[in-house]
Amino acid sequence: AQSVTQPDIHITVSEGASLELRCNYSYGATPYLFWYVQSPGQGLQLLLKYFSGDTLVQGIKGFEAEFKRSQSSFNLRKPSVHWSDAAEYFCAVAGDSNYQLIWGAGTKLIIKP
Amino acid sequence: NAGVTQTPKFQVLKTGQSMTLQCAQDMNHNSMYWYRQDPGMGLRLIYYSASEGTTDKGEVPNGYNVSRLNKREFSLRLESAAPSQTSVYFCASSADRGNSPLHFGNGTRLTVT
Repeated sequence: AQSVTQPDIHITVSEGASLELRCNYSYGATPYLFWYVQSPGQGLQLLLKYFSGDTLVQGIKGFEAEFKRSQSSFNLRKPSVHWSDAAEYFCAVAGDSNYQLIWGAGTKLIIKP
Repeated sequence: NAGVTQTPKFQVLKTGQSMTLQCAQDMNHNSMYWYRQDPGMGLRLIYYSASEGTTDKGEVPNGYNVSRLNKREFSLRLESAAPSQTSVYFCASSADRGNSPLHFGNGTRLTVT
């Protein structure tokens, strides 16, 4: 079955520390992979996407993600987090011929001052 | 620079009442979507419209109806609200199929008592 797993419901990091949010997927065809961010009371905003090519993709707000086909993973990273990064982060996967993304349950990022 | 606009932002209904959630996008996107978001469950697709004139069921369509009024507007109707429909509802649009990034509205928080 197609699925996306975000193993961490919450992650707490200190401001200035590095961050890695995990995402594992199960998808039969070539996946299109996304990370979205949701600030409190807001809709979701696209951080970055991977379709093909270079497996390390850069996004907005200093985030990057690495696609590892052998591990079925698409982990999100940031070298140094800021208090404004506190939000919920969602990983999603889609195929090129359908309209229904498969979403992870989200990881809430908490920043310690 | 509005993007995706949803109305209303908040709504409280009694069980059995009906209401329509409105959504409009100004990006000339072909596809539009209605999602619901519940704690710990990520986003679940209710209905989508691949293009003007078409609508299709998503993962959780029961209790809902939709209308793609024109290319810009996509409404969601609850004919007889139930407490299980208490949720945050998001409208989104994309240029094309599932591999096109989604643009989200800011959501409608609905409570059914």
